[in-house]
Amino acid sequence: KQEVTQIPAALSVPEGENLVLNCSFTDSAIYNLQWFRQDPGKGLTSLLLIQSSQREQTSGRLNASLDKSSGRSTLYIAASQPGDSATYLCAVYPAAGNKLTFGGGTRVLVKP
Amino acid sequence: SAVISQKPSRDICQRGTSLTIQCQVDSQVTMMFWYRQQPGQSLTLIATANQGSEATYESGFVIDKFPISRPNLTFSTLTVSNMSPEDSSIYLCSVESLGRNYGYTFGSGTRLTVV
Repeated sequence: KQEVTQIPAALSVPEGENLVLNCSFTDSAIYNLQWFRQDPGKGLTSLLLIQSSQREQTSGRLNASLDKSSGRSTLYIAASQPGDSATYLCAVYPAAGNKLTFGGGTRVLVKP
Repeated sequence: SAVISQKPSRDICQRGTSLTIQCQVDSQVTMMFWYRQQPGQSLTLIATANQGSEATYESGFVIDKFPISRPNLTFSTLTVSNMSPEDSSIYLCSVESLGRNYGYTFGSGTRLTVV
């Protein structure tokens, strides 16, 4: 059974500092890994998707890496801003059309 | 990627009553997924809904409590029946988008409080 873990559970940084969020999964037979952002009481916004054959994806200040063999992904957010304060979730799935398995999330607070 | 309209966005309900949540997708999709997110927790899959067949429920979730309809390829409803305070959660629907911007897309969520 796939298990996804995110460490740390919460993170507080001053504005301008780079953020490093970790995601680990127990079964390396994944199809894709997806990072999401969730604001309090809201739905999920997709940030980045990494296919199992890829090692990283970038979008603006966001960069996500994937090491499938070690079961790890890292989301980097450069030059954090107060608007980056949210919960970040990673999720994996074993094949197209399959359900997502989520990590517990990392709650981020960026202080002005 | 697909755009999902989910409603209601929030509701406060009396225990013992039922609430139906709707999700409308702007494109045809084969499967729709319903998730529950309890306070302070991550997302747990309730069921997968295919058009024209009964939904497939995950362990711990039953059709009598969470009936799902999927009348066509762009619409689905989830009903939370005979509610208790333990059902207070955010409920979200999701679809897999294909094509250039593929990946999973989520509705904006329904924040349910049962009193």
